Amino acid sequence: KAGVTQTPRYLIKTRGQQVTLSCSPISGHRSVSWYQQTPGQGLQFLFEYFSETQRNKGNFPGRFSGRQFSNSRSEMNVSTLELGDSALYLCASSGVPRIDEQFFGPGTRLTVL
Amino acid sequence: LAKTTQPISMDSYEGQEVNITCSHNNIATNDYITWYQQFPSQGPRFIIQGYKTKVTNEVASLFIPADRKSSTLSLPRVSLSDTAVYYCLVGLADSNYQLIWGAGTKLIIKP
Repeated sequence: KAGVTQTPRYLIKTRGQQVTLSCSPISGHRSVSWYQQTPGQGLQFLFEYFSETQRNKGNFPGRFSGRQFSNSRSEMNVSTLELGDSALYLCASSGVPRIDEQFFGPGTRLTVL
Repeated sequence: LAKTTQPISMDSYEGQEVNITCSHNNIATNDYITWYQQFPSQGPRFIIQGYKTKVTNEVASLFIPADRKSSTLSLPRVSLSDTAVYYCLVGLADSNYQLIWGAGTKLIIKP
């Protein structure tokens, strides 16, 4: 089975721009979660989608949004980028009703200049 | 509200057994405890999951006492390649499976 894939792997943007990141979960997985990881903050949960519905949301501003498509692929969007948005963005998918066992993608490294 | 607390860092030596403890005071009866391992520039990788008592797989063991207020990840005979960040996680079964991640323990294995 193919693992979780994320595109692009690296991205450089400037302040004020917006960005869309993509995640393809493992085939058959219906839950997709997004995380932000910075050196000083560890893993910060953004949101989780299950069957196209946002089921959980972390404490991030409204500039961060996401969606999930009927094929379980998910996108994350960040509008009006700030320097502090520079981070590794990780996507994880889960195939069980409990999503404790997650499979992570390699991440997208976003740099905001 | 459930919260997980784990040591920021630990050191050990090759060949030793390493135990990392996570505190999770307010977990409910149906909540599971899960541990992940993360290497630099990679996504975390699932190691082990448990509900109570002891769980063992080919990589690690997980000990959960009867009161379930803490759990201990045990790595037998560590090697240099076990140097990584280890995360403790509680999944809240009654809150839409909300996941409560610990801040991670940076484990450094020395030769």
